[in-house]
Amino acid sequence: ETGVTQTPRHLVMGMTNKKSLKCEQHLGHNAMYWYKQSAKKPLELMFVYNFKEQTENNSVPSRFSPECPNSSHLFLHLHTLQPEDSALYLCASSQDLGASQETQYFGPGTRLLVL
Amino acid sequence: GQSLEQPSEVTAVEGAIVQINCTYQTSGFYGLSWYQQHDGGAPTFLSYNALDGLEETGRFSSFLSRSDSYGYLLLQELQMKDSASYFCAVRDGRDDKIIFGKGTRLHILP
Repeated sequence: ETGVTQTPRHLVMGMTNKKSLKCEQHLGHNAMYWYKQSAKKPLELMFVYNFKEQTENNSVPSRFSPECPNSSHLFLHLHTLQPEDSALYLCASSQDLGASQETQYFGPGTRLLVL
Repeated sequence: GQSLEQPSEVTAVEGAIVQINCTYQTSGFYGLSWYQQHDGGAPTFLSYNALDGLEETGRFSSFLSRSDSYGYLLLQELQMKDSASYFCAVRDGRDDKIIFGKGTRLHILP
């Protein structure tokens, strides 16, 4: 257990569906991240939040919409996804940005399949 | 541009020693991190090197040479449970983003 939980662990959705991924961290961290992990590719940073404020949007399509209501919770809202969006979506947290980013704590991920 | 290179796969025998290399190219550099990820699991932080030299933590050690833009993860007394993917990561000095390598899949033979 890393102190970061994600739900659901697995998700199958059609291209017209709307769903949300949830992440919660119990570490008292201030920074939270969404990553996409596809086979044979490096981890791709999608979004970064620090103290609930979004600090990074890494050219992510608008069909992915993040929400951070407080420092402990992070959501990723999904709508009209494409089959190529099928991947493992990982949430992570760190104490802060800057040097603290280099030690991140990851959740177990949500395995997403878009049909 | 920024990049990290590490081998895609490495195979070693149980009880042996294995070294996983990582070379990086970034605009500025702070340090090199290593993460382990088992199949179906979350990446977990292993080590961080900001200075040249070897850092030892139990069976795992990590080395950094800033002048060579190179580091490695050394795993000793390999156990079957060490079968996993290992990622190196750096924080780019230009935009402060963390960049991960593609990962090295470690196969351990009995």
